[in-house]
Order: sequence, then structure tokens, then C-alpha cells
Amino acid sequence: DAGITQSPRHKVTETGTPVTLRCHQTENHRYMYWYRQDPGHGLRLIHYSYGVKDTDKGEVSDGYSVSRSKTEDFLLTLESATSSQTSVYFCAISESGGVRNEQFFGPGTRLTVL
Amino acid sequence: KNEVEQSPQNLTAQEGEFITINCSYSVGISALHWLQQHPGGGIVSLFMLSSGKKKHGRLIATINIQEKHSSLHITASHPRDSAVYICAVHSGGSNYKLTFGKGTLLTVNP
Repeated sequence: DAGITQSPRHKVTETGTPVTLRCHQTENHRYMYWYRQDPGHGLRLIHYSYGVKDTDKGEVSDGYSVSRSKTEDFLLTLESATSSQTSVYFCAISESGGVRNEQFFGPGTRLTVL
Repeated sequence: KNEVEQSPQNLTAQEGEFITINCSYSVGISALHWLQQHPGGGIVSLFMLSSGKKKHGRLIATINIQEKHSSLHITASHPRDSAVYICAVHSGGSNYKLTFGKGTLLTVNP
């Protein structure tokens, strides 16, 4: 299994509070991704990173920010959590952005915003 | 409208049955992935293919680029195959981006 961990694995928070989710990899892969998974939707890309300090928005980026100061860590921040951000969040990594590269997924973080 | 459609959404089978899950997509693609997600579990990549067929154990994935269609087959299904199976495609001009189907929930009863 690819070495990807996410922390925390579960979190309950209140509306309006800031939340940071961490993705850590030991594979030295260049690309990292944050997705959210909701019932009735496929996985949707929030943000991705193609290198240290290089990030870009995905299709559902509103309300989220990211940072990548080291190859191994990719942080997802909800500046002011809302109930609509209750979801399961998955981090993924890939060796490159090439179309033939697989993405390897972390175990997920279940976030509940009350 | 999701560019990737999977069918069926839910599938219940008896142990030993041959299973087929379908994936259709509406845009040109460079590669297609099949992923597996067990209940409460993480997501595992099963196959990545851009043409023809791939086989791994009891799992077979096929793709027809002209018809924009892929199938995932499971032979001699087993209760441990119970999971959500997700199809995803590399589409558009950005070669990093995957577009995901909503998944097919497979339940295999003993």
C-alpha cells in the first residue's frame, strides 16, 4: 500500500470554526489531491498540488484553501466551516500528472460540521 | 450532468455469479480507471487502461474507446467482493484531472 496517512480520521466541529486536515505521504510523489465524497455525487476535486508551493483549484474549491510547504504534506483548511462542508475527505497522490499514472488514496477523514 | 455514468447503481448477486458493471463516458479520454471502495474503507485502484482488456485474478476490465464504454467483470463472485466500484476517466486538456462516476454498490450474498 502507498504510504498515505490522513489526520484526523474523524472530526466533529461547529459552524464558523476553522478546520485543518492533514495529508502526509512517504512516497515522495509530486502530485497531491484533496477530494470530497458525498452521497449522490462522485468524488469531486477540491484542490491539487503539482509541487511544493504549487497549488491550483479544482471544481469545488469555494470555502477551502490549501498549502504545501513540504513534498510530504498537503494541508486542507476550511477557514470557517459550514454544514455544507460535512463530508468525507480523501487525499490522493500520484507520481506525476501524466494520464497513465495511478492515483493512490488515503484512508479518508470524516468531517461533521454541526 | 456527470460526464461519467455507471450502471447499475446497485447490484445484488449470489456467491459464484458472474458480475458486470458498466461505465459510459461522454468525452474523449486518455485513460480510464476502475477503483474499489469497501464500506467505511479507503479507495483502492484496481485497473488503469486506455485500450483492450486487463485481467487481475477474478477481475477483468475492458474498454471500447470508439463506443466510449468500459466494463468491469467479476468471475466467481464472493462476499468479500462486496464494495462500491467506481469508474473514473482522464478527460479534457488537463492530464492530472480525473472525473468520477457515482459508483456501483455491489452486494454478494453467500
